[in-house]
Amino acid sequence: NAGVTQTPKFRVLKTGQSMTLLCAQDMNHEYMYWYRQDPGMGLRLIHYSVGEGTTAKGEVPDGYNVSRLKKQNFLLGLESAAPSQTSVYFCASRPPGLPTEQYFGPGTRLTVT
Amino acid sequence: AQSVTQPDIHITVSEGASLELRCNYSYGATPYLFWYVQSPGQGLQLLLKYFSGDTLVQGIKGFEAEFKRSQSSFNLRKPSVHWSDAAEYFCAVVRYSSASKIIFGSGTRLSIRP
Repeated sequence: NAGVTQTPKFRVLKTGQSMTLLCAQDMNHEYMYWYRQDPGMGLRLIHYSVGEGTTAKGEVPDGYNVSRLKKQNFLLGLESAAPSQTSVYFCASRPPGLPTEQYFGPGTRLTVT
Repeated sequence: AQSVTQPDIHITVSEGASLELRCNYSYGATPYLFWYVQSPGQGLQLLLKYFSGDTLVQGIKGFEAEFKRSQSSFNLRKPSVHWSDAAEYFCAVVRYSSASKIIFGSGTRLSIRP
C-alpha cells in the first residue's frame, strides 16, 4: 500500500513550456486535491475532484488544468508555465463521508525559469 | 468566510522545553480541526484531529491539542520537545461541503535549540 504518490519529484521548466504532474493513490479514495505551497502562505487549493470524471476549481486555478479519467489518478497540467508557478505542489486524497482527514503525497518541486 | 490564523511564523525552543503553537479559526458552525506536520522536504503528516467530544485530543509523537470554542482556538502542545520535532506545523479547518475542502493556516516553523 503506497498511499499517495507523485511524479516527478523535481522539475525545472522554461517559461512557456508545458508539463503534467501525476498523482496516484491506491486507497480507493473518491476525493482528490491539488495544492500549491509557497513560503508564508500555507497550502492553497488549485483544483479538486469528488470522483472519477469530475473536477472543480479551487482557490487558485488560473494557469492550471486537471483531469480525473481514472479514480486512482489525478493529473495537473500547466499549458504554458510562468515563473509565478514556481512552487511545491502537493496532491491529497480522502475517502467519502465526513469527518475525515486528507492524505498527502510527498510533493513535486517545480521551478520555472 | 472560513479562515485559520497561526500568529507565530517562527518559534525556537530548547530541547526538552515545553511547546505551545497557537491556532485561531473563524468558522460559523462546529469545526473539524486538524494539525499537520511537515518535515523538511516531506509531505504533510496528520498529527491529530478534532471532530467532536472531548476537547483535549491526543495525537502522535506525544502531541496534544485543546479545542476552546469560546476562544475559537485549537492550540497544539507538547510537554518536552525533541530535536526531531523541528518542522513546520499547519493548523487546518475543514469547510463542511460535499468536497470537504481544507483551509490551512500559513504555518509555524519550529526550530529546536540544542
